[in-house]
Amino acid sequence: EVQLVESGGGLVQPGRSLRLSCAASGFTFDDYAMSWVRQAPGKGLEWVSGITWNSGRIGYADSVKGRFTISRDNAKNSLYLQMNSLRDEDTALYYCAKDICSSILCYGDFWGQGTLVTVSS
Amino acid sequence: EIVMTQSPATLSVSAGERATLSCRASHRVSSNVAWYQQKPGQAPRLLIYGAYTRATGIPARFSGSGSGTEFNLTISSLQSEDFAVYYCQQYNNWPPLTFGGGTKVEIK
Repeated sequence: EVQLVESGGGLVQPGRSLRLSCAASGFTFDDYAMSWVRQAPGKGLEWVSGITWNSGRIGYADSVKGRFTISRDNAKNSLYLQMNSLRDEDTALYYCAKDICSSILCYGDFWGQGTLVTVSS
Repeated sequence: EIVMTQSPATLSVSAGERATLSCRASHRVSSNVAWYQQKPGQAPRLLIYGAYTRATGIPARFSGSGSGTEFNLTISSLQSEDFAVYYCQQYNNWPPLTFGGGTKVEIK
């Protein structure tokens, strides 16, 4: 059974940092690209960042570029999101997603339950 | 960035009726569109990829159509468990992947 368990969320002040983790199980982690997607309270979905299986291709939304860094450790079946210089508008539920790729075109086929990040003074 | 626009924002439908949700892309995205269902307090679930291919375990009452810039998700006969918010997403241009704003399907 595929499982994605996010952790690391919490209450943080503006300007501070937080590191999210996603523990994967039930599939061969290093065969798949992965993504982070967030959802602000009562709002829609926003893709944040994605990474290919070997970290060879990484992308970010403009809203987080230069502040967030995605990474993965295939030996630990884990995905990470380092979030620096956090802003109020980064407050959201952050989902980890397993991606299916056809060539370089990837979409999420399974999502974790999310970890909540609240940025507030 | 490709903008995905969903309509309507809210669709009021009776159980057993047909529902058609629309999604328009600001630029051509071929057939690289996915549809997701999200129920309150739950993570999104993949319904459709490649514009019309149902994901594993998705009932046949869900169907997708379209290519280029215009896409539809049709639920042929709404069941009680289908009342939810539905999102389209393009994955033709990366980064970023972009979602539509969602259509809430509610009970009439």
